Amino acid sequence: AQKVTQAQTEISVVEKEDVTLDCVYETRDTTYYLFWYKQPPSGELVFLIRRNSFDEQNEISGRYSWNFQKSTSSFNFTITASQVVDSAVYFCALSGLMDSNYQLIWGAGTKLIIKP
Amino acid sequence: ETGVTQTPRHLVMGMTNKKSLKCEQHLGHNAMYWYKQSAKKPLELMFVYNFKEQTENNSVPSRFSPECPNSSHLFLHLHTLQPEDSALYLCASSQEILAGGLEQYFGPGTRLTVT
Repeated sequence: AQKVTQAQTEISVVEKEDVTLDCVYETRDTTYYLFWYKQPPSGELVFLIRRNSFDEQNEISGRYSWNFQKSTSSFNFTITASQVVDSAVYFCALSGLMDSNYQLIWGAGTKLIIKP
Repeated sequence: ETGVTQTPRHLVMGMTNKKSLKCEQHLGHNAMYWYKQSAKKPLELMFVYNFKEQTENNSVPSRFSPECPNSSHLFLHLHTLQPEDSALYLCASSQEILAGGLEQYFGPGTRLTVT
């Protein structure tokens, strides 16, 4: 069965520190997709990135970077020089054919608190 | 309006009331979704519509009744709810579902409280 684990329930750091949010997944699919979403206090889930299983290149977007490693079934998210506005709950999700018919399987989320 | 909008943003209803949640997407997408987000639980997918046809109903109680009159609008009709139904209800849309792996875009949600 497909599963997404975000072991860190809550992380608190001081502004300007770097922080990494972990995501570990399980799937039987050879073709699958991984996502990260941000949910600020306003409630709206904001799409951050999608990665397909054949593309293991790391991605950087400004202060955000993602490290996809199939060997360890991980898709970790790093925020460099964190800012207070980064405070939110971050969700990792998986989409594949088996078990879920491409529905998104969500992790429980990691609450990130950035202190000024 | 842009993106995905939801109304109302907050709703308090008694267990005997009937109410409806509305979702509208302005992205030209063909798939729409209802999710339930309860405290300390992963997001739960409730219903999926693709080109106005319901494709998924994840064992949702019949007191929740979805309606999708066109690809841009999605409703969730509520009746005789229970206090445990109190949650944030999120609507989302994507280009379609058949291709798989397409990102979903979410509305701000309706915070529902059942008294």
